[in-house]
Amino acid sequence: NAGVTQTPKFRVLKTGQSMTLLCAQDTNHEYMYWYRQDPGMGLRLIHYSVGEGTTAKGEVPDGYNVSRLKKQNFLLGLESAAPSQTSVYFCASSQDGLADDYEQYFGPGTRLTVT
Amino acid sequence: QKEVEQDPGPLSVPEGAIVSLNCTYSNSAFQYFMWYRQYSRKGPELLMYTYSSGNKEDGRFTAQVDKSSKYISLFIRDSQPSDSATYLCAMSPLSGGSYIPTFGRGTSLIVHP
Repeated sequence: NAGVTQTPKFRVLKTGQSMTLLCAQDTNHEYMYWYRQDPGMGLRLIHYSVGEGTTAKGEVPDGYNVSRLKKQNFLLGLESAAPSQTSVYFCASSQDGLADDYEQYFGPGTRLTVT
Repeated sequence: QKEVEQDPGPLSVPEGAIVSLNCTYSNSAFQYFMWYRQYSRKGPELLMYTYSSGNKEDGRFTAQVDKSSKYISLFIRDSQPSDSATYLCAMSPLSGGSYIPTFGRGTSLIVHP
């Protein structure tokens, strides 16, 4: 998928635990995104970044934090996991936010269960 | 009401059937329209895009946009079992030079032999 990788692929957390999901891309894309996908809910944007050192909130940012210290990496953090955060998390990247190169390339997903 | 509405299905059809997948939207600023295909336990992949009203064809797939009705469709001709997947529509305005798409919920398609 155009070089977008996610770590880990699966994780089970207990309520209150913290973790960080790592997204890495090797295509030098400017934009990166974190989505969650729940049954019947489609893809919902959590946070995104328009370049190294920048982040912005998406549709469902509460309970998550992100960082983009390096252009190729976008980290998603859960400080105190809750069962409502059980979901499949997808990272994506795109060349930029302009119309000429809109395609998003998605990673394989991380399946997170919070008990 | 969500900005993009898409029936989640599932839609079950026999092999060889013509499939019609649809999305409606409420934001008249949307100018770019995309269809992503997502196989089970995989990330979505871009299938087709368009940014004008009318039809765009790519092999067995045709994307149709009707901006006056705020309605987009994806048609699949001669459907195959390998087309079984979830199809997500996505659309975006061009606002301030950036592009953040809004996705539909996805329609699950099952093509049975």
